[in-house]
Amino acid sequence: EVQLLESGGGLVQPGGSLRLSCAVSGFSFDNYAMTWVRQAPGKGLEWVSEISETGDSAHYADSVKGRFTISRDNSRNTLYLQMHSLRAEDTAVYYCAKLESKTWFDYWGQGTLVTVSS
Amino acid sequence: DIQMTQSPSSLSASVGDSVTVTCRASQTISAYVNWYQHKPGKAPKLLIYMATTLQSGVPSRFSGSGSGTDFTLTISSLQPEDFATYYCQQSYSTPPYTFGQGTKLEIK
Repeated sequence: EVQLLESGGGLVQPGGSLRLSCAVSGFSFDNYAMTWVRQAPGKGLEWVSEISETGDSAHYADSVKGRFTISRDNSRNTLYLQMHSLRAEDTAVYYCAKLESKTWFDYWGQGTLVTVSS
Repeated sequence: DIQMTQSPSSLSASVGDSVTVTCRASQTISAYVNWYQHKPGKAPKLLIYMATTLQSGVPSRFSGSGSGTDFTLTISSLQPEDFATYYCQQSYSTPPYTFGQGTKLEIK
């Protein structure tokens, strides 16, 4: 059974940092690109970042470019999202998802809530 | 970036009804559209990929159609568990993987 479990969310002050993790099981993690998607309160889904199978290529939404860094540890089957210079508008539930054929997101985690507030 | 315009933003229907959600891309995207179902507090769920292919395990009352710029998700014979928010997403020109604004399907 495929499982993705996010952790690391919480309350952080504006300008602060947070690292999210996504522990994966049930598929060959190092064979798939992975992605982060977020949903702000009352809003729709917004793609945040993706990383290649080996971790040597990554892309970001303009809204987080230069502040967020995606990475992965294939030996630990874990995906990460390091977030710096957090803003109130980064408040959202963050989901990790498996990227199939680099085209669709076929498995998602339950999400972890990040709240940026003083 | 490619924009995805989804309509309607909300929809009210009864169990047993058939409903259609539409998504229009700002430029032609072949068949690179995916559809997701999202319920509050749950993980989003892939329903349809590449415009028409039903994801494994998804009931056959869900179907997708379209190519180019115009796409539809149809749910026939609505069941109580189908009331949720639905999103289209383009994966033709990425990044970014653009989502539509969402369609909230509510019980009438």
